[in-house]
Amino acid sequence: DAGITQSPRHKVTETGTPVTLRCHQTENHRYMYWYRQDPGHGLRLIHYSYGVKDTDKGEVSDGYSVSRSKTEDFLLTLESATSSQTSVYFCAISGQAPGNEKLFFGSGTQLSVL
Amino acid sequence: DAKTTQPNSMESNEEEPVHLPCNHSTISGTDYIHWYRQLPSQGPEYVIHGLTSNVNNRMASLAIAEDRKSSTLILHRATLRDAAVYYCIDNNAGNMLTFGGGTRLMVKP
Repeated sequence: DAGITQSPRHKVTETGTPVTLRCHQTENHRYMYWYRQDPGHGLRLIHYSYGVKDTDKGEVSDGYSVSRSKTEDFLLTLESATSSQTSVYFCAISGQAPGNEKLFFGSGTQLSVL
Repeated sequence: DAKTTQPNSMESNEEEPVHLPCNHSTISGTDYIHWYRQLPSQGPEYVIHGLTSNVNNRMASLAIAEDRKSSTLILHRATLRDAAVYYCIDNNAGNMLTFGGGTRLMVKP
């Protein structure tokens, strides 16, 4: 299994508070992704990174920011959490751009915003 | 929005082959076709991918139509552990893999 650790695994927070989710990899992969998964919507890409300090927006980036200061860590921040951001968040990594390259996913973070 | 189309659900009997279809309406010549699956309460896992030729690995086979507008994931002998949501994706968005709703496969003993 690819070395991907998401933390925390579960978090409950209140509306309006900042929240940071961490994805840590030990594979030295260049690409890292944050997805959210909600019933009826499948997986939707929030942001991705193609290198240290290189990030770009995905399909549903509003309300989220990311940072990647080291190859191994990709942080997802909800500056002011809202109830609509209650979801399961998955981190994924790949060695190259996702053409002829597979993605490896973490186990997910269940976030509840009350 | 995802540009692949899959049936919402399918059923199979244990030990029988399963053919999961996918339509790729906007795929271009250099886009790879990927399949992932997600077991209950887990993150998605890679199953197989290909460009033009049919592909085989220990998990499954991937059949790609000549015009590449459709693909079929083949599980040769379904087991109860294969019950999952199966996603087909093509990387027509460059660096992004866009997942659709997937097909929920139910396997009956």
